Amino acid sequence: KAGVTQTPRYLIKTRGQQVTLSCSPISGHRSVSWYQQTPGQGLQFLFEYFSETQRNKGNFPGRFSGRQFSNSRSEMNVSTLELGDSALYLCASSLDPEGHYGYTFGSGTRLTVV
Amino acid sequence: GQNIDQPTEMTATEGAIVQINCTYQTSGFNGLFWYQQHAGEAPTFLSYNVLDGLEEKGRFSSFLSRSKGYSYLLLKELQMKDSASYLCAVRDDQAGTALIFGKGTTLSVSS
Repeated sequence: KAGVTQTPRYLIKTRGQQVTLSCSPISGHRSVSWYQQTPGQGLQFLFEYFSETQRNKGNFPGRFSGRQFSNSRSEMNVSTLELGDSALYLCASSLDPEGHYGYTFGSGTRLTVV
Repeated sequence: GQNIDQPTEMTATEGAIVQINCTYQTSGFNGLFWYQQHAGEAPTFLSYNVLDGLEEKGRFSSFLSRSKGYSYLLLKELQMKDSASYLCAVRDDQAGTALIFGKGTTLSVSS
């Protein structure tokens, strides 16, 4: 059974550019959530989607957006990149939004903004 | 506000038992999760508690007291491969978030 797949694994972008990250959940999982991980702040919640609907949104500026498609794949977009957006972006999928069976994380996309 | 506290670092020796504590203050509570994360890797799911009490899974056990806002992860028969960061996370639907994570506890196991 394939795990959660995130692409690309590594990305280097310049300030002011925009970036799109992709997440394919485990087959059958309809809930996808996104997190930003930095050494100083740890893991911080970005968004959560279930059946193409955004259920929850974290405390991040409007430059961060996301969506989920009918096949449960999800994308997140960051526009007008800032140096502080450099981080590991992790997505997690679960059978149900409440995570009764746990959330499975992908390996992440390491974004570096220069 | 939402707050999850856990010790920053712990050390232990192979074969020993270690307990990692986690306290939380959240608006609501819909479950507490423990994750293990090795450097450069994704977090992996260890345990889920939604009711008070102890959940045991092999060498790992997790305890929850909702009235005290307290949980611990107990690791027995420590092995070198258990050296990792351990993350405590709470799901709080009332706050409109998915998982709220603590900063993590870095456990170093020595021989």
